[in-house]
Formats: sequence, C-alpha cells, structure tokens
Amino acid sequence: NAGVTQTPKFQVLKTGQSMTLQCAQDMNHEYMSWYRQDPGMGLRLIHYSVGAGITDQGEVPNGYNVSRSTTEDFPLRLLSAAPSQTSVYFCASSYSTGEGLNEQFFGPGTRLTVL
Amino acid sequence: GENVEQHPSTLSVQEGDSAVIKCTYSDSASNYFPWYKQELGKRPQLIIDIRSNVGEKKDQRIAVTLNKTAKHFSLHITETQPEDSAVYFCAARGSNYKLTFGKGTLLTVNP
Repeated sequence: NAGVTQTPKFQVLKTGQSMTLQCAQDMNHEYMSWYRQDPGMGLRLIHYSVGAGITDQGEVPNGYNVSRSTTEDFPLRLLSAAPSQTSVYFCASSYSTGEGLNEQFFGPGTRLTVL
Repeated sequence: GENVEQHPSTLSVQEGDSAVIKCTYSDSASNYFPWYKQELGKRPQLIIDIRSNVGEKKDQRIAVTLNKTAKHFSLHITETQPEDSAVYFCAARGSNYKLTFGKGTLLTVNP
C-alpha cells in the first residue's frame, strides 16, 4: 500500500492564480481531511469528508474548495491564491470501527508559497 | 467548537529524564485523544492514543493519562533519548468527526 499520497511536494504560485492540490489514499478509508500547518499554529482543519459525495467545512475553509467524487481522492482547490495561503498542507485519512474513529494517517505534505 | 490548549510550547530535558506535556479540551463530547510526533520536515505520526472509556494507556516508554472530569490529558515520556526530540501535538476528536489539534510542544532532549 502507498498509504496517503500528495502531489505536488512543492509549489510556488503568484497572487490570484488557482491550483489544485491532489490527495489520494489506497486504504479504503471513509474519512479524509485537509489541514494547513503554520509555525506556532499547529494543524488547522480546512475541510473534511466522511465519505464519497459528502464534505464539510473545518476551522479555516475560506479560499478553499473540496470535492469527494471517489473514496480514494480528495483534491483541495485554491480559487485565487493569496500570500496568507502560504503554508504546508497535509492531507489525512482515517477509518472507523465499532469504537469510533481510529488513527489518522497523514500524507507527506505540500509546501506552498504564494508570492 | 472544540478548543485544545497545549502546554508547554517548548520543553528541554536531559537525556534519561522524564518529559510531560499537558493538554486541555473544551468539548465534553470528545471521545478520542491521539498524540502525534512530528520530526523536522516530516509528516505527523501517531505515537499513542486513548479513548474516553480508558484512564491510562502505556506503550513502552510512553504513557497517556486522561481525566474526563477535568477535561485534560497528558503525555508522559520516560527515560528520554535524543531521538525523542521533535514537535509533539495533542488532539481531541468530538462527535462531529473533526480532529482539533493543540499548537504543539517542541521537545529537545540534550545528550
């Protein structure tokens, strides 16, 4: 299993450009999430999904869109990039059992710089 | 929504000493509390987790305790080693499936 994969690893954008960060998992996990990590701020939830066709907003959703057309893929779209979106982005997936939700597996991250 | 506070933000210990990191949460419905370790430039990785029906869990040199009444949980690392140096994050997950993270603790273990 590849686990959770993210592309690209690094990206530089100009203000106003749009792009999509890709995330895929091959573990058949129902739950997928996007976080951004900024120095001293921990990991903040952008959007999450509890299954194909279902998405919801996290703590910092503004400026980002998501969709979940398949169990495997959960792309994050930046509509019009701003310097405030310079960050490291992590995608994660997890699964549920009778005890509830379990370990969240993180992808390797995408380092995004907006000039 | 859930709010998770983590202390201290930095912690420096001598090799062989113990390290304790504490977190508090606000949502009494939260029922899953993982701890993640993140080395520089790497992804966060789970080191231990605890559910709300358990008060303490151990895995070799690492233990986590949970006090549901006070809404706080702690990570204990004994016999620290230089390779324990990293940023540690606590988190809490409520009934809405969202995982809320603390801001992290930079642990430095000095040889």
